[in-house]
Amino acid sequence: EADIYQTPRYLVIGTGKKITLECSQTMGHDKMYWYQQDPGMELHLIHYSYGVNSTEKGDLSSESTVSRIRTEHFPLTLESARPSHTSQYLCASSRIPGPRTGELFFGEGSRLTVL
Amino acid sequence: GESVGLHLPTLSVQEGDNSIINCAYSNSASDYFIWYKQESGKGPQFIIDIRSNMDKRQGQRVTVLLNKTVKHLSLQIAATQPGDSAVYFCAEKRYSTLTFGKGTMLLVSP
Repeated sequence: EADIYQTPRYLVIGTGKKITLECSQTMGHDKMYWYQQDPGMELHLIHYSYGVNSTEKGDLSSESTVSRIRTEHFPLTLESARPSHTSQYLCASSRIPGPRTGELFFGEGSRLTVL
Repeated sequence: GESVGLHLPTLSVQEGDNSIINCAYSNSASDYFIWYKQESGKGPQFIIDIRSNMDKRQGQRVTVLLNKTVKHLSLQIAATQPGDSAVYFCAEKRYSTLTFGKGTMLLVSP
C-alpha cells in the first residue's frame, strides 16, 4: 500500500473560485508529479518536481500552479476555476534513483467538478 | 453519466482464460516501458516493467513482451481472475518522465 494521500477526494465548486488540491507522501520520495485524467482516458503530465524548490511543467499545458516547499508536500492550485478544469487530478511520487525508475506511486485522485 | 468505456478498447474474458493486452508506443528512443493497472476509483498501480534491451520479462502471472521493430508492447495475464478487472495502461519513459498510452479495459466474468 503506497503512502501517498490526496485531499479532497471529491470537490464541486463554482466558476471563478480558487482551489488547492493537496498531496502528501510519507515515503521520502524526491520526485513528485501531477497528472490530469479525464474519465476513460490516458493520464497527461501537467507538473512535476525533482525535489524541494524544484517545479517543472509537464507535457499538457495547464493553468494550474504547484509549489514544493517540503519534500513530502506538493499542492496544486487553480487561481480561478473554470468548467474546462473539470477532471480527475492524480498525484504521484517516485524514488530517485531506483531500480524500477518507472514505478510511480499514485494517490487515489481528486475529482474536480467546476459548475 | 460518465463516458468511461466509450473511449476505451475493451477485452472481455472468462475467469481462468489467458488475457493479452496490446499497446503501440510512439517513440523509438524510449528505453523503458511499464504496465499499470487502474481499478475503478483508484490511482494506477505498477504491474511490471521492461527495458528496451530485453524482449520478454515475467512476473507473477504476468508477462510483458516488447517488439521494438514494430514498436509494440503486450501484457499477458495467465489464468485471469475477477480481481484482474481494471483498466490497463502502458507507459514509456522519455527523458525523465513517463508518457501514458490509451488504456484498455479488461472485464473478467466468472
